[in-house]
Amino acid sequence: DIVMTQSPDSLAVSLGERATINCKSSQSVLYSSNNKNSLAWYQQKTGQPPKLLIYSASTRESGVPDRFSGSGSGTDFTLTISSLQAEDVAVYYCQQYYSTPNSFGQGTKLEIK
Amino acid sequence: QVQLVQSGAEVKKPGSSVNVSCKPSGGTFSSYAISWVRQAPGQGLEWMGGIIPIIGTTIYAQKFQGRVKISTNESTSTTYMELSSLRSEDTAVFYCARGPGWFFVNWGQGTLVTVSS
Repeated sequence: DIVMTQSPDSLAVSLGERATINCKSSQSVLYSSNNKNSLAWYQQKTGQPPKLLIYSASTRESGVPDRFSGSGSGTDFTLTISSLQAEDVAVYYCQQYYSTPNSFGQGTKLEIK
Repeated sequence: QVQLVQSGAEVKKPGSSVNVSCKPSGGTFSSYAISWVRQAPGQGLEWMGGIIPIIGTTIYAQKFQGRVKISTNESTSTTYMELSSLRSEDTAVFYCARGPGWFFVNWGQGTLVTVSS
């Protein structure tokens, strides 16, 4: 099974500043046939279901603000929020869907400093 | 956008089973897969298994194999997750989630299942 590890576990960033969350997979999630990474990012606010932000490592889901971006390939990935807003306070999860069982990182709690 | 509507909260005894339903609003099946994800209190997300309703193919995480059954009723466009042999550690919110594969564009509101004697 592929293990997903996020860092840090928690993060406090000032409003308007950049927030960066890392995700590492125990094996590559890059499909050589289409050169796409099977990696998604979700945001979960308290008491709500998760919300898809990014898929294929860097494709923003429709309606997601452009301050959210994803990067990386193979085993190392990053979610960046370019200018933190108050409404971005949440737990963020990465997920690999390269192979089943698909698996999530442990989550990164993002707060305002 | 498609919304997934789940059945309500349940309280169950250890050793019993629970059945949670999930129906797309305005809903018919599509080629999208539907998965079930468990989230224990204060914990992360755990994929349990999924089904592609249009072809009826199911796949389960080995951790839940033998205890979970995912099924669909085409006539009502409803997907079900049955978890048996419940124990206290199964107390969690269970989400159904839908996507064009095994990542999830749409999520249900979640169903809290409490296992307590």
